[in-house]
Amino acid sequence: EAGVVQSPRYKIIEKKQPVAFWCNPISGHNTLYWYLQNLGQGPELLIRYENEEAVDDSQLPKDRFSAERLKGVDSTLKIQPAELGDSAVYLCASSSGQSNSPLHFGNGTRLTVT
Amino acid sequence: AQSVTQLDSQVPVFEEAPVELRCNYSSSVSVYLFWYVQYPNQGLQLLLKYLSGSTLVKGINGFEAEFNKSQTSFHLRKPSVHISDTAEYFCAVSSGGFNKFYFGSGTKLNVKP
Repeated sequence: EAGVVQSPRYKIIEKKQPVAFWCNPISGHNTLYWYLQNLGQGPELLIRYENEEAVDDSQLPKDRFSAERLKGVDSTLKIQPAELGDSAVYLCASSSGQSNSPLHFGNGTRLTVT
Repeated sequence: AQSVTQLDSQVPVFEEAPVELRCNYSSSVSVYLFWYVQYPNQGLQLLLKYLSGSTLVKGINGFEAEFNKSQTSFHLRKPSVHISDTAEYFCAVSSGGFNKFYFGSGTKLNVKP
């Protein structure tokens, strides 16, 4: 099966500019996650979708971050405006939706804000 | 909320030596446990998982882990490491009934020739 696909792999922008990341999960996976991974740290949840509904977005900085998962398949994560501290790797993961089902990760998008 | 502690941020080891990467979690309620590996510039890849049953679980690349409920631990082991095992390893926990995963801060395994 095709894995989780993310694009772009790398993105360099100046602060205050907008940026968007795209994720296509594994076919049939209802649950989609966006994680933030800072250098030397583990992934931290930003938002979780069950189909098209955001069921956990408590850690998403809503003043500048937004996400959508139209039609319950692929998803986009947007930052506007970006700040220097947003430099990190943004990981997308999907699962079949059971808590005992492992997450399948994409290769991530490495964002550098200058 | 769960918390996951990986006690060692870095573990240097010589090739063909055994290694143990430690993981402890906070909750005593029903949990599912996972180990992931991350190679440079890649996403996380599942190594192994504990869902129920035998407390010793085997994964890919010769790794295994043992679930210890009384000590709330899930340590990862490999009897003989290779240079190619150099990567960062993450322990993760999800609680029964929820699709929320909690990750440790990672352990960088550096295998030296």
